[in-house]
Amino acid sequence: SQQGEEDPQALSIQEGENATMNCSYKTSINNLQWYRQNSGRGLVHLILIRSNEREKHSGRLRVTLDTSKKSSSLLITASRAADTASYFCATDKSGYGGSQGNLIFGKGTKLSVKP
Amino acid sequence: AAGVIQSPRHLIKEKRETATLKCYPIPRHDTVYWYQQGPGQDPQFLISFYEKMQSDKGSIPDRFSAQQFSDYHSELNMSSLELGDSALYFCASSAGLAGGLLYNEQFFGPGTRLTVL
Repeated sequence: SQQGEEDPQALSIQEGENATMNCSYKTSINNLQWYRQNSGRGLVHLILIRSNEREKHSGRLRVTLDTSKKSSSLLITASRAADTASYFCATDKSGYGGSQGNLIFGKGTKLSVKP
Repeated sequence: AAGVIQSPRHLIKEKRETATLKCYPIPRHDTVYWYQQGPGQDPQFLISFYEKMQSDKGSIPDRFSAQQFSDYHSELNMSSLELGDSALYFCASSAGLAGGLLYNEQFFGPGTRLTVL
C-alpha cells in the first residue's frame, strides 16, 4: 500500500513566492526524506528529518515533521524558475516491521515556478 | 564530491531479451538500493544489499536478480524483458546500515532509462 501521499499534486506559482508541499504517511517511521526530480532525471536528495526532530532548515528549504499527525511539509521560500521540478517525500521505516532502510515514496508534487 | 554512477544511462532492448544494469556507489557507502520508476510514477523499491548480502526485497519480479560484489558495486540482471519493464531504474547508496539507520540518507544515481520494444 502507498505509504506517502502528497498534496497538492501540482502547484504553479510566480517567482519570488513561497511554495508549500505536504506529505502524509501511514506507519511509524525512522526518518523522512525529501527529493527533487527534474523531468525524467535523477533524484536529488534535499533534506532528511529524523523522527525525533520537528523542524529542519537548509538554505531556502524548511521541513517540518509532525509524527502525531503523520505528516510533513516542505517549504521553499523565495522560489526561482530553477526550482521547477517534481518533489517527492520518502519515508524510511527502518526498525519497524523488519525494514532495512528502503524508502517508500509519495506520489510527488509537480511544482512550476513562472518567471 | 563523488556521486553514484550508473551504467548504461540508456538501454533499448527487445521483448524477451536480457539486460544488465550496473551501479557504483559512493566510496565508503556499503549499502545499495535499487528502485524502479515507471512513467509518471513514484519510485518503487526493488531490492537492497548491505555488505554484499541481500538485506531487503521489495516488488522485484522473479525474472530480475541482483547482487553486490566485493568492490560494493551492484548489478541488476533482468531477463525475459516485457514491455512493462520500460522504466527508469535508479540505484541509491548510503552508509546507513553501518551508521545505525538513523543516518540513512540515500543518494541516487542518474538512473538507467530502459526501453523495451
